[in-house]
Amino acid sequence: EVQLVESGGGLVQPGGSLRLSCAASGFTFSSYAMHWVRQAPGKGLEYVSAISSNGGSTYYANSVKGRFTISRDNSKNTLYLQMGSLRAEDMAVYYCARGVGSGPLPTTFDYWGQGTLVTVSS
Amino acid sequence: DIQMTQSPSSLSASVGDRVTITCQASQDISNYLNWYQQKPGKAPKLLIYDASNLETGVPSRFSGSGSGTDFTFTISSLQPEDIATYYCQQYDNLAPITFGQGTRLEIK
Repeated sequence: EVQLVESGGGLVQPGGSLRLSCAASGFTFSSYAMHWVRQAPGKGLEYVSAISSNGGSTYYANSVKGRFTISRDNSKNTLYLQMGSLRAEDMAVYYCARGVGSGPLPTTFDYWGQGTLVTVSS
Repeated sequence: DIQMTQSPSSLSASVGDRVTITCQASQDISNYLNWYQQKPGKAPKLLIYDASNLETGVPSRFSGSGSGTDFTFTISSLQPEDIATYYCQQYDNLAPITFGQGTRLEIK
């Protein structure tokens, strides 16, 4: 059974940093691109970042470029999102998702984690 | 960025009704369009990929159609468990991924 379990969310002050993790199981993690998608409270879905299966290619939405870093450790079956210079508008539930489809960064999300809440407040 | 205009934003229907949601892209995205269902407090779930393909395990009352800029998502006979918010998502390789704003579906 495919499982994605996020962790690392919590309360952080504006300007602070936080690292999210997503532990994967039930599939060959190193064969899949992985993604982060977020959802602000009561709002819709916003795409954040992607990383290719071998970590060689990454993508960032303009809203987080230069502040967030996506990475993965295929030996630990874990995806990460290092978030810095956090702003109030970054407050959201962050989901990791597995990507399937064609291309270097397949972007059909067939499995999602349960999400982890990041609260940015002083 | 490609804008996805989803309508309606909310919808109330009766059990057994046929429900239709539309999604319009601001430019041609071929069939690079997915549909997701999100129940309250839960993660989104993939229902339809590549505009018209039913994800494994998803009931056949769900369907999708369209190409280019205009897409349709249909529930042929609404069931109580279908209460959720539905999102379209485009994934044209030459543009950032974007989602529609969502359609909240309620039982009348």
